[in-house]
Amino acid sequence: GDSVTQMEGPVTLSEEAFLTINCTYTATGYPSLFWYVQYPGEGLQLLLKATKADDKGSNKGFEATYRKETTSFHLEKGSVQVSDSAVYFCALGRGSNTGKLIFGQGTTLQVKP
Amino acid sequence: DAMVIQNPRYQVTQFGKPVTLSCSQTLNHNVMYWYQQKSSQAPKLLFHYYDKDFNNEADTPDNFQSRRPNTSFCFLDIRSPGLGDAAMYLCATRRLAGEEQYFGPGTRLTVT
Repeated sequence: GDSVTQMEGPVTLSEEAFLTINCTYTATGYPSLFWYVQYPGEGLQLLLKATKADDKGSNKGFEATYRKETTSFHLEKGSVQVSDSAVYFCALGRGSNTGKLIFGQGTTLQVKP
Repeated sequence: DAMVIQNPRYQVTQFGKPVTLSCSQTLNHNVMYWYQQKSSQAPKLLFHYYDKDFNNEADTPDNFQSRRPNTSFCFLDIRSPGLGDAAMYLCATRRLAGEEQYFGPGTRLTVT
């Protein structure tokens, strides 16, 4: 069945450092891929998405490219801020009546000033 | 702004005392989901509605029930909360033709 694997955290960076959070998936066909962010005590917010191979999703300086050949969807940001400290979830979904999301285990990012 | 609203944000209940959490949406989405999230874990899907069609996950305990009286509202009922049910409960919605889900802010449930 479908599955998503993220790099383990926590990831601790200094402000303005480059961020990469790795995400790989196992799935048949062509699912859509998402990154969600969860700030402390809050629900999940959609950060970006990509619906087909080679699509690049981007938002708020974050980017991720749907790589079918490596089954990956790594999250990157060129210069992180303290306000980016949160838990990041990679997820896989399919357009269907059910539309279930398969989540990775989440990666905690802590950015220090 | 169109959104997903959960009430209350924090709920304290006693062991074995029934509790109801509510979710409402102004997005007019067909599909609504309830998730349980424990600390440092990914959300776990409990069940979802496609319009009025209820779909239970196979491993969701019978202690958890849900109601969706109309498109806008969905309720999570925990009939006899145990200490292990303390968690964040997240509601999410999705339009039928879309794939991304839109989450509410969650209700933090404490069981004493």
